[in-house]
Amino acid sequence: AQSVTQPDIHITVSEGASLELRCNYSYGATPYLFWYVQSPGQGLQLLLKYFSGDTLVQGIKGFEAEFKRSQSSFNLRKPSVHWSDAAEYFCAVGAWSGGYQKVTFGIGTKLQVIP
Amino acid sequence: NAGVTQTPKFQVLKTGQSMTLQCAQDMNHNSMYWYRQDPGMGLRLIYYSASEGTTDKGEVPNGYNVSRLNKREFSLRLESAAPSQTSVYFCASSEVPTLAGGEDTQYFGPGTRLTVL
Repeated sequence: AQSVTQPDIHITVSEGASLELRCNYSYGATPYLFWYVQSPGQGLQLLLKYFSGDTLVQGIKGFEAEFKRSQSSFNLRKPSVHWSDAAEYFCAVGAWSGGYQKVTFGIGTKLQVIP
Repeated sequence: NAGVTQTPKFQVLKTGQSMTLQCAQDMNHNSMYWYRQDPGMGLRLIYYSASEGTTDKGEVPNGYNVSRLNKREFSLRLESAAPSQTSVYFCASSEVPTLAGGEDTQYFGPGTRLTVL
């Protein structure tokens, strides 16, 4: 069974500073990996995804993530954070099982951006 | 193109009452899902429908039933609501590739915030 760990429940960064949100996964084969963002009171929006190929993937809103198989990680990065990036971020791993792709989510990292 | 829509947005129930949460998608996706989101627990799968006419239990199905009405619509029913079912409920859909094991991405609705008193 797959699992996802987001070790930081809450992170605070200053506007304009760089950001890295950590995600570690557990899965026996090559996983499908996702990052979603949830603004307060909203649904989940897909930021980016990794299925295969280039291990550095670009997403929306200036985010990128790097898949590192040796570290079982898929960390999310942004070079300069904007106040509008304040939200909760979820890492997820997908694996095929019984005819559908089961997606397991981490518990989320809440990002606070200070002026 | 509205994507995934959910109704209602908010609902308050008393213990023992029943209600149905509605979900519809206009992306012609094959699979649909119901999740619940609770603080500190991420999202947990309640039920899913891999294709029209099929439904299966997820991680936390107790106390819920579902209906895949057609390809577009997937409803979640609480027959006798309990305070433990206070949560935010999300519906999602995905296309599902032609070949199993390929790329598949879930897209989410805005959620229904349910309180059971």
